[in-house]
Amino acid sequence: DSGVTQTPKHLITATGQRVTLRCSPRSGDLSVYWYQQSLDQGLQFLIHYYNGEERAKGNILERFSAQQFPDLHSELNLSSLELGDSALYFCASSDGEQFFGPGTRLTVL
Amino acid sequence: DAKTTQPTSMDCAEGRAANLPCNHSTISGNEYVYWYRQIHSQGPQYIIHGLKNNETNEMASLIITEDRKSSTLILPHATLRDTAVYYCIGRGSTLGRLYFGRGTQLTVWP
Repeated sequence: DSGVTQTPKHLITATGQRVTLRCSPRSGDLSVYWYQQSLDQGLQFLIHYYNGEERAKGNILERFSAQQFPDLHSELNLSSLELGDSALYFCASSDGEQFFGPGTRLTVL
Repeated sequence: DAKTTQPTSMDCAEGRAANLPCNHSTISGNEYVYWYRQIHSQGPQYIIHGLKNNETNEMASLIITEDRKSSTLILPHATLRDTAVYYCIGRGSTLGRLYFGRGTQLTVWP
C-alpha cells in the first residue's frame, strides 16, 4: 500500500460526458502528479501540482483540467469525453520518490 | 532527462537472480537513475535509485557503470510476484516528472 488513494476505482461513461477523478496524497506530501496510461501510449505525464500551485504540464488536453485543494487532495476533471480517453489514470504523490495510487480505470463508451 | 533504452522482454527462473540492463548514454552528471516496476495495471512501484555509486535496498541492487552510460537492476532471488514491467528512468530533479518508456517485461517462471 503506497498510502496514495484514488477514487473511483472504475468509471464507465459515455462520449461527451464529464467526469472527476480524485486523488488523496500520502500524509505530508505536497506534490501531486497525474499520469495517463493507455494501451498505445504507455504512461504519459499530464500535470504536476505542488502545494496548491500548478508546477508543470505535460501533454494534457485542453478538455482536461486539474486542481489541488488546501487539504492537498487533487482532482482531475475530464470533459467532452471521447473514446480515446479510455485509459488508466494514476496519481502519484512525492517527497522525492513518487508513490503511485492504484489508479482509476476510465471506460468511455 | 536522459533517454533510456531497455530490452523489450526478459525471463528468469524462480529463485535465480534477474539482471535487467538499461542504457542511458546521454545521462548528464546530475541526473539520477531511477527504477520503477508495474505489476499488471497496478500503480507503478518505486524500487531504487542511484547517481554513481552502487545502491542496495531490501528490494534490489543497482549497479551503475563508472562512465554512467548504463546500469543493471538486480533482483537477487526472483519470485513469481516479481513478474512485472520494469522501467529505467533518468531524472534530473526530485520534483520533476517521470518519463516512462516501454520498459522491460520480466517474466519469472517456476
